[in-house]
Amino acid sequence: DTEVTQTPKHLVMGMTNKKSLKCEQHMGHRAMYWYKQKAKKPPELMFVYSYEKLSINESVPSRFSPECPNSSLLNLHLHALQPEDSALYLCASSQETSYNEQFFGPGTRLTVL
Amino acid sequence: RKEVEQDPGPFNVPEGATVAFNCTYSNSASQSFFWYRQDCRKEPKLLMSVYSSGNEDGRFTAQLNRASQYISLLIRDSKLSDSATYLCVASGTASKLTFGTGTRLQVTL
Repeated sequence: DTEVTQTPKHLVMGMTNKKSLKCEQHMGHRAMYWYKQKAKKPPELMFVYSYEKLSINESVPSRFSPECPNSSLLNLHLHALQPEDSALYLCASSQETSYNEQFFGPGTRLTVL
Repeated sequence: RKEVEQDPGPFNVPEGATVAFNCTYSNSASQSFFWYRQDCRKEPKLLMSVYSSGNEDGRFTAQLNRASQYISLLIRDSKLSDSATYLCVASGTASKLTFGTGTRLQVTL
């Protein structure tokens, strides 16, 4: 079962709100990723977790805070976002970090008002 | 120069046609290569990995030429359901996928 799930599907939030995006996979993958995708652009990597430890932060602003509670779960905590942060947020997982295929969840479409 | 370059298209082809997409990558250290397909407002879905020996999956054939740093995807007998954006992807340093900007395919009746 190559499935990555994400909740919520859609999220609208104000600039002062705090919200969280959730991602789950049950494929036994040890690497998990957060990407941001704007319309008509390819996905941009934000964070990589390997064996539940943050291994890559692509200079993402601190208003985005990732968390990996266990090997199956990945959260992205959002606080004081800007309207330009509106995008599709994609979670992905892979068996390991080294050169493996990544499988994407359906994404959370975020709108910041 | 972009790390992974693709012709954005769109490629408009009739059903049943054969269509080929090309992609070049600039990082010679890239180790793994993939084609993903992405439908409008959906997530990228892995179509196939690309190997030096070439690989085929039904109507889809992918080729890699490391000397020329060139990847291709051939779709035979195009179906309406093949209409999507096709993303060429290279994996260089561990974990990081570098995406091309995508090639849009529209298959028509």
